[in-house]
Amino acid sequence: DTEVTQTPKHLVMGMTNKKSLKCEQHMGHRAMYWYKQKAKKPPELMFVYSYEKLSINESVPSRFSPECPNSSLLNLHLHALQPEDSALYLCASSQSERYEQYFGPGTRLTVT
Amino acid sequence: GDSVTQMEGPVTLSEEAFLTINCTYTATGYPSLFWYVQYPGEGLQLLLKATKADDKGSNKGFEATYRKETTSFHLEKGSVQVSDSAVYFCALSENTGNQFYFGTGTSLTVIP
Repeated sequence: DTEVTQTPKHLVMGMTNKKSLKCEQHMGHRAMYWYKQKAKKPPELMFVYSYEKLSINESVPSRFSPECPNSSLLNLHLHALQPEDSALYLCASSQSERYEQYFGPGTRLTVT
Repeated sequence: GDSVTQMEGPVTLSEEAFLTINCTYTATGYPSLFWYVQYPGEGLQLLLKATKADDKGSNKGFEATYRKETTSFHLEKGSVQVSDSAVYFCALSENTGNQFYFGTGTSLTVIP
């Protein structure tokens, strides 16, 4: 099973809202990732967790806050977003950081 | 630093035509190479991979060979179908680091 699940599939939020994106994998992978993808562009890395510790934070604004409660779960907490944050947010996991990544279906986020 | 260069798109082909999408890379070490496919409205799916020179990855009729001498990993398929219409991303993973590098993506449309 190479499935990564993400919820919700779609999210519309106002600039003053607080919401969370969730990601789950049951492949025993020890690295998990958040990416942001704009239309017709490749994914942009936001955060990497390795063995439940944040190992990469690609200068992402503080209105995005990641959390890794355990090795199977990854959350992305959103607060005071801007309209330009509207995008597809992808979660991925891999056996460890140099191995192939498996992606979830994404959450389509619209900030109004 | 490491990087991946993909041929510009979009590419439009007739059904049963031969497909080549070029990918070249720059890396300081011995990276692993991947092709991902993204269908409209979905996340990225791993299509194939190669972890060392002269390896050939293959899946669903697609093939790519890791050529160290030309630093290339071109994607090929002998006979495309309408269902192959998608965006294809070439990617590289360092063998010692923790970064994944994506190409810019190539949009393929196959017409009946």
